Amino acid sequence: EVQLVESGGGLVQPGGSLRLSCEASGFSFSSYSMTWVRQSPGRGLQWVSSIIGSGGGTDYADSVTGRFTTSRDNSKNTLYLQMNDLRAEDTATYYCAKGNNYGGKAYMDVWGKGTTVTVSS
Amino acid sequence: DIVMTQSPDSLAVSLGERATINCKASQSVLYSSTNKNYLAWYQQKPGQPPKLLISWASTRHFGVPDRVSGSGSGRDFTLTISNLQAEDVAVYYCQQYYATPPAFGQGTRLEIK
Repeated sequence: EVQLVESGGGLVQPGGSLRLSCEASGFSFSSYSMTWVRQSPGRGLQWVSSIIGSGGGTDYADSVTGRFTTSRDNSKNTLYLQMNDLRAEDTATYYCAKGNNYGGKAYMDVWGKGTTVTVSS
Repeated sequence: DIVMTQSPDSLAVSLGERATINCKASQSVLYSSTNKNYLAWYQQKPGQPPKLLISWASTRHFGVPDRVSGSGSGRDFTLTISNLQAEDVAVYYCQQYYATPPAFGQGTRLEIK
């Protein structure tokens, strides 16, 4: 069974840092792009970042560029999102999702249950 | 950036009837080299993550019932749910994956009348 399990969310003060993880199982992890999508309370879905199968290419939303870094360890079947200089507007549930292909122009065919990040003093 | 706009924002439909949700892209998501529309639909039930329903504008994902269908091309797309069931209560999102940043519509909330 294909499964994605996020972890690492929590309460952090403005300006703080947090690293999210997404452990994958049930598929050949390195063969697929992976994406982070977030959803603020009561709001819609917002794409955050994507990374190709090898980890050699990443894209970011303008709102997180320079503050967030997406990486992956294909030996551990794990995706990461390093979040620095966190702001109140980063408060959201963060989902990791599997892309349908190795590289770009991918839809998301499997989603994790999400991990919640709250930025507040 | 491509902007996705859904209509309506919410709708209420009687059990057994048809629900229609529209999605309009600010520019075409039809890729000429593949002749495919890079458009997906997702369903999100309360307290759950999104779930893929449709890719390539009209291809149902595994396990999605055939009363759920997608249509359209270029900039205009439709998600149709026939014979509405109570389990269809959810928020539905369209998403373009033609260009970066991939963008979602604002969502359409579907309720039972």
